[in-house]
Amino acid sequence: EAQVTQNPRYLITVTGKKLTVTCSQNMNHEYMSWYRQDPGLGLRQIYYSMNVEVTDKGDVPEGYKVSRKEKRNFPLILESPSPNQTSLYFCASRGQIYNSPLHFGNGTRLTVT
Amino acid sequence: DQQVKQNSPSLSVQEGRISILNCDYTNSMFDYFLWYKKYPAEGPTFLISISSIKDKNEDGRFTVFLNKSAKHLSLHIVPSQPGDSAVYFCAASNYGGSQGNLIFGKGTKLSVKP
Repeated sequence: EAQVTQNPRYLITVTGKKLTVTCSQNMNHEYMSWYRQDPGLGLRQIYYSMNVEVTDKGDVPEGYKVSRKEKRNFPLILESPSPNQTSLYFCASRGQIYNSPLHFGNGTRLTVT
Repeated sequence: DQQVKQNSPSLSVQEGRISILNCDYTNSMFDYFLWYKKYPAEGPTFLISISSIKDKNEDGRFTVFLNKSAKHLSLHIVPSQPGDSAVYFCAASNYGGSQGNLIFGKGTKLSVKP
């Protein structure tokens, strides 16, 4: 089954404790992206990657890092999480053609205390 | 500055009637528009899209209309069903300006009452 898999689904952590949210897709997609969803703010892009070893900032990249060492994986790294990063995070992927739809994972609910 | 706006946070419709969800955009360079549906505890799923060279696209009960001069698009669901109750996101992209990155609106929560 074609899918984007995020782990974990739920995560509670404390301020400053480094964490990684994994994302993997099995559709051989070139493009991958991370979004965060907050009440009243919709979906905002954090980082995206056009292909392996190519990453770029989205609209809200502060406090986040990403890497794209393999085509299928696009982990999101929070080196020193803060409470304002408490949010619902989505990973997404699509093929190389820009007007092909994004496929989303089921989300990771992160709480930073 | 919000480039994609969904001004109605919520909409309630009776089963069997038409649901109309609206979306406005400010960037005239957008050339591809999409609607996503999101259920609680799930990721958004693609619903329907439209290219800027068209003014209408239909897929079953779902029709998207694009009015480029007004920078407005709408999603019509006919007839509405209780299973359509979800949050709907409008999104837009422009390859040249944003490498195809999608800009999302804030979403409209649709409730279809039996």
